[in-house]
Formats: sequence, C-alpha cells, structure tokens
Amino acid sequence: AQTVTQSQPEMSVQEAETVTLSCTYDTSESDYYLFWYKQPPSRQMILVIRQEAYKQQNATENRFSVNFQKAAKSFSLKISDSQLGDAAMYFCAYRYSGAGSYQLTFGKGTKLSVIP
Amino acid sequence: GAVVSQHPSWVICKSGTSVKIECRSLDFQATTMFWYRQFPKQSLMLMATSNEGSKATYEQGVEKDKFLINHASLTLSTLTVTSAHPEDSSFYICSARDTGQATNEKLFFGSGTQLSVL
Repeated sequence: AQTVTQSQPEMSVQEAETVTLSCTYDTSESDYYLFWYKQPPSRQMILVIRQEAYKQQNATENRFSVNFQKAAKSFSLKISDSQLGDAAMYFCAYRYSGAGSYQLTFGKGTKLSVIP
Repeated sequence: GAVVSQHPSWVICKSGTSVKIECRSLDFQATTMFWYRQFPKQSLMLMATSNEGSKATYEQGVEKDKFLINHASLTLSTLTVTSAHPEDSSFYICSARDTGQATNEKLFFGSGTQLSVL
C-alpha cells in the first residue's frame, strides 16, 4: 500500500521569506502523480501544485515550486515570498496513474503559520 | 474551473437519526466521486469510491451499512450516515473527477460538511 509521510506537523515562516515543506512517500509503482493541497481555515481543499512522476523537471506555479527526487521518493514544496494568505494546512498527496485509479492518499499535513 | 457543490455545509443531529449529505458536480459529469472523512487536525481518509450506476467501493474498516452511498446520476452522489452516533461527528468532504477530461487531470473538491451528532 502507498503511504505518504509529512514529518513536520507545524512550520512557521516570516512574511516575504521562503519555506520548504517536506514530504516522502512509499510506493512500488513507477508511474504516479504527486500533489500538494492547501486547506485554509475555510477547509476548502485547494490544489497548489501537481507533479507527474515520469517528468524529471520540477513543477512550478508562481511562488510555489517542488523538489521532486524520484529515487529518494521525496517531494518537497517550496513557498517563496511567503504571504499571510499562505497560512494554512498543507497536505502532500499521492495518486497512482493507472487507468481507473483516482484515489488520493494524503499525508497527515503540515500547519504553516506566516508571521507578519 | 469546475465546481463541486456540497450540502449542507454543517448539520447538527440527534443520536440515532440519519443524515444525508449531497455532492453535486455543477458544470461537468462525474462518473466517479470520492468521500473522505477528516477528524480535527488530522488528514483526509478515503471512505469510499462512488461509481455512477453501480455499488460504491468502500475502504477497509468503513461500514457500508452505516455510510450509505448512492450515485444515481452523473452529477450527484449522496452519503447517508445512518443511525448517527457522536463518534460519527466529523468533517466529510467529497471530490469528483471530470469524466470528460484526461486521466491525468485533477480532482475537484466540495467545501465539506461538518457533522455534529449530539
């Protein structure tokens, strides 16, 4: 079974600074997707960034980027120029890319606080 | 982007009653939807996969007779918590996949339902 581990229950960052959230996963599959989701106090799940395992290039979305290390099964999220609105729970998630497989496996989350 | 509407956003009920939660894809068809449960300060745990026109697939440890799932149309899945008890109090979230999109496309989440059983 796939597992996703987030070893940092809580993190804090100064506004405008950079922070990196860690995520490791375990799978025997070679083709899969990895995601970072943000859950603000409203509890609406928001997709932050997505990485396809077959792509070597790290995904980026504006201030958000990932460091994907497939061999190490590591998928960290870097948030640059942190803003107050970035404060939220962040969940790392895994999905096998096989046909008909859409279930997400989530990590336990990291609570990010942004200090003004 | 695609919208998934989930209702109600919160519900309080008495122990022993049943509660129905709706998950509706507003501008796309979803043959597959997912129901998650989230306890306070914890992660989302997949409860079941809802398939349009067929029986839901439940995760290990989830009581299918307690958490009834119906996916009778391409845009609506419902989760009914039967004979609810205080331990069923939780945040329930649905997600849906746009059937018309490629397999690598993202899932869309509802805004969740907070269930409190007294």
